[in-house]
Amino acid sequence: AQTVTQSQPEMSVQEAETVTLSCTYDTSESDYYLFWYKQPPSRQMILVIRQEAYKQQNATENRFSVNFQKAAKSFSLKISDSQLGDAAMYFCAYRPYSGAGSYQLTFGKGTKLSVIP
Amino acid sequence: EPEVTQTPSHQVTQMGQEVILRCVPISNHLYFYWYRQILGQKVEFLVSFYNNEISEKSEIFDDQFSVERPDGSNFTLKIRSTKLEDSAMYFCASSADRDYEQYFGPGTRLTVT
Repeated sequence: AQTVTQSQPEMSVQEAETVTLSCTYDTSESDYYLFWYKQPPSRQMILVIRQEAYKQQNATENRFSVNFQKAAKSFSLKISDSQLGDAAMYFCAYRPYSGAGSYQLTFGKGTKLSVIP
Repeated sequence: EPEVTQTPSHQVTQMGQEVILRCVPISNHLYFYWYRQILGQKVEFLVSFYNNEISEKSEIFDDQFSVERPDGSNFTLKIRSTKLEDSAMYFCASSADRDYEQYFGPGTRLTVT
């Protein structure tokens, strides 16, 4: 079974600074997807960024970028120029390629990010 | 921008009662999912649904749970005979295709007393 581990229960960052959230995962699959979801206090799950395992290039979405290390099974999220609105719970998630017959997302326990004005 | 909607936002029910949680997925999406999040815990997969049948379900999704797409727009999760431990946030999600991103609704907070 796949597992996703987020080793940092809480992180904080000064406004306008950069922060990196860590995520590791375990899988025997070679094709899969990785995601970061944001959950603000409203508790809605918002997709932040997606990475396909077959792509060597790290995904980037405005101030959000990832460092995907497939051999190390590591998938960290970097938030640049942090803003107050970035304060939220961040979940790392894994999903196998659909050819494996599974579409379910497996989530980590989350990292609570606080942004200090 | 299209979004997944869920009703109600909060449901309070007594133990042993049946509840139906409703979701309207994004209109051109074909794959539908339910997840739940017990307070303070990780989000857990319950079930996926495609072409009017369950395509995958977790161990959590036992006989007390059922899903249905009663018409062309709604997707429902029914919990029969609710238990205290069913108290959680229930998220509906949808995706255009099986390898596409899953977009989540705002969730229904279910409180069983």
